[in-house]
Formats: sequence, C-alpha cells, structure tokens
Amino acid sequence: SQQGEEDPQALSIQEGENATMNCSYKTSINNLQWYRQNSGRGLVHLILIRSNEREKHSGRLRVTLDTSKKSSSLLITASRAADTASYFCATGPWGAGGTSYGKLTFGQGTILTVHP
Amino acid sequence: GAVVSQHPSWVICKSGTSVKIECRSLDFQATTMFWYRQFPKQSLMLMATSNEGSKATYEQGVEKDKFLINHASLTLSTLTVTSAHPEDSSFYICSATEGTRISTDTQYFGPGTRLTVL
Repeated sequence: SQQGEEDPQALSIQEGENATMNCSYKTSINNLQWYRQNSGRGLVHLILIRSNEREKHSGRLRVTLDTSKKSSSLLITASRAADTASYFCATGPWGAGGTSYGKLTFGQGTILTVHP
Repeated sequence: GAVVSQHPSWVICKSGTSVKIECRSLDFQATTMFWYRQFPKQSLMLMATSNEGSKATYEQGVEKDKFLINHASLTLSTLTVTSAHPEDSSFYICSATEGTRISTDTQYFGPGTRLTVL
C-alpha cells in the first residue's frame, strides 16, 4: 500500500489565494518532509517536521503534523504563479538508523497551478 | 546550499545498449546517495541506496544486475542501466546526504536524467 497519499491530486487557484495540500501515511514515522518539483526537474526540499512537532513555519509555508491521525498538511499562503509545481510529502521511517537510514517514501503528489 | 548535479540531463539510446548516469555532490561529501525512478505524473520510487566504498542496497523488485550502481568516491555515484529496453524509459533522480546518519539529514536532489529507450 502507498505510504504518503496526498490530496487533492490537483489544485488550481488564483494568485494571492492560499493553497492547502494534505498528506496521509500508514506507518509510524520519524519525520515528514515536503518537497517541490517543477515540471521535469529535480526536487527541492521545503520543510521537515519531526514526529514530536505539531507545526512548523518557513516563510509562506506552514506545515502541520498530526501523528494520531497520521496526516500532515502544507499551507502556502499568498500564492504566486511561481509556486506552480508538484508538491510531494515524504516520510522517513521510525528508528531510521542502519539499513533504514535516509529511506524516504514519497506520496503521489499534488499538482498545484497558480493562475496569474 | 548543497548542490547535486546529474549528467546527462537527458539521453536517448537504442534498445539493448547500456547507459551510465552520473550523480555528483558538488560542494559536500556524500557518504550516502540514493537513486530514484519516476514515471510521468507519478511519484518517486526508491531504487537503491548507495554507500561510498560498499555495495549498493537495492529495494525489493529492483534488478541489481540491470541497474548497476557504483559509489567510488565521496562525491560521485553512477547508475548504469544495462541492456536498456523501452520499459526502462523513465526519469532517474539521485539524492545525497552529508552523512551524519541521523534520521533528519536533509537529502539534496539532483535535477534528474530523462532516459528514453527506443
């Protein structure tokens, strides 16, 4: 089964509006990370939230984590056309030492389109 | 910030040939590198974990004889797709960590390599 499932699959908004993307996962995690991917490009790390944290901010980004519900959300405030991209959540396993080190499981992603 | 490069950015090859993709950490030493595969409009799937100086660890279902990984130095890992076939066409992305081996190490991703096998 897929770890890190996201919704919506696609989101289309106007510039200036807020964008919220959600991610759910199935197993225990050590941390959850959000990445952005512009079309045909590599991934850019946005933010990491540890399993003992509930909320984290970085610029226009706000991430929440609810480990009881195994879910996270990414909020982009005052969106810009340049925010148009795919956004992925990725989970790091609990107890990520040894052979599990660094292994990230990615969600299916949300395609965000911000119209000027 | 830490930069990871990949070369080539895209490659087209004939079925049956082998293709080598390089992943380099430009301004840091990467004891661990990861190779992912991404099909169009899909997520990234981890193929293997590459540790400098040792054999790569492959994920279940990934053929190690088909996807040869070499991590000969702290700044370079290579993925060779041997005897490529059209179904190997995909976007291959590498990532690297600075290797403090804690669970919150940031992975820095390369820009990806688009492989098309005719």
